[in-house]
Amino acid sequence: NAGVTQTPKFQVLKTGQSMTLQCAQDMNHNSMYWYRQDPGMGLRLIYYSASEGTTDKGEVPNGYNVSRLNKREFSLRLESAAPSQTSVYFCASSDRLDNQPQHFGDGTRLSIL
Amino acid sequence: QKEVEQDPGPLSVPEGAIVSLNCTYSNSAFQYFMWYRQYSRKGPELLMYTYSSGNKEDGRFTAQVDKSSKYISLFIRDSQPSDSATYLCAMSAYRRDTGRRALTFGSGTRLQVQP
Repeated sequence: NAGVTQTPKFQVLKTGQSMTLQCAQDMNHNSMYWYRQDPGMGLRLIYYSASEGTTDKGEVPNGYNVSRLNKREFSLRLESAAPSQTSVYFCASSDRLDNQPQHFGDGTRLSIL
Repeated sequence: QKEVEQDPGPLSVPEGAIVSLNCTYSNSAFQYFMWYRQYSRKGPELLMYTYSSGNKEDGRFTAQVDKSSKYISLFIRDSQPSDSATYLCAMSAYRRDTGRRALTFGSGTRLQVQP
């Protein structure tokens, strides 16, 4: 079972470049999430989508945009990358009634120079 | 001050030991408590989920919640080298400003079980 798949696994960008992180889940879950993980700070929610066609800001949304393309796919876009966005990004999905993340992908390691 | 505090470790124990991992929190609105396990270079996986004060057991794992002390623990019995990972606590509270539950993660404790 694939679960939650993220691409790419690694990426290096220059300041000001843009890119889109892709995420897909094959578990037919309604809810999907984007988190970033930084040393000593724990996982922080960037955006989430409770269902197809809806998205909401999380704790740290500035500098990011998202698209819930369909039930399976939820992408995260950095329009103009900044060094402060260097992080490990995790996508997650859930079918829990309380909408808390259940299954995570293996992350995208993003470095911005 | 962080809402959720977790000792980063590393915590090193011999195989077979009982492991105790802990988190403290300051927000009395937290109602749901979770533990995630994260192996190196992997995403977190949900390990335990509890709501009320008291203990919840699942195999070698026991989650304990003490709401009066704002303290949660994860105990691992008969620890194995395969338990070596970072353990994240997480807590959920309803936020009136957003009208939904928000999850706050601890920064994780790295556990090393020596064979």
